Amino acid sequence: GESVGLHLPTLSVQEGDNSIINCAYSNSASDYFIWYKQESGKGPQFIIDIRSNMDKRQGQRVTVLLNKTVKHLSLQIAATQPGDSAVYFCAENMGGNTPLVFGKGTRLSVIA
Amino acid sequence: GAVVSQHPSWVICKSGTSVKIECRSLDFQATTMFWYRQFPKQSLMLMATSNEGSKATYEQGVEKDKFLINHASLTLSTLTVTSAHPEDSSFYICSASGTSGFWTGELFFGEGSRLTVL
Repeated sequence: GESVGLHLPTLSVQEGDNSIINCAYSNSASDYFIWYKQESGKGPQFIIDIRSNMDKRQGQRVTVLLNKTVKHLSLQIAATQPGDSAVYFCAENMGGNTPLVFGKGTRLSVIA
Repeated sequence: GAVVSQHPSWVICKSGTSVKIECRSLDFQATTMFWYRQFPKQSLMLMATSNEGSKATYEQGVEKDKFLINHASLTLSTLTVTSAHPEDSSFYICSASGTSGFWTGELFFGEGSRLTVL
């Protein structure tokens, strides 16, 4: 099912610290998960993805963790920078040409 | 990466008029395109799924006569907001999925079109 919120939670972190953004998904049949970054007035920007047969995937400064048991997804950003300030959305689908269902989003605010 | 272009990026119109938003895949053939709507401080809500050459599939609660979607070619889908009203003001975002060569499930998003209806 969809997870849509009316108000975005906010995470404030000091520049240089690590950030952890969490997401709970609802569809146990989801096979594919993506984290997107969205800056004001722009479309979503792909950050990192993970398939359901994995529990961890690392990119440059970012790590995605997947816990299928509790249907939880997290995005870790190392050494957070001011340019990381944005809204972050997790998204899920069942693979193939199925639509992505977006989570409610978290606003990350980096304090310089 | 693949590029999806939306046009216009910003449009202001009078109530009662119709507005067309274009979504183009610039360097790949998009067999499937998705249209999302996003209200301020909210998440993206799927409106409809369109496959090239066939009728769009609308999500529950989305009026198909209000939001006309056409996907006549593998590189272009259009969303027409008919007889727009102020409550239609929103950020509309398209995304496209390609054929072989793309990771399963990966979509490429346009930059969005902000519609303001006066």
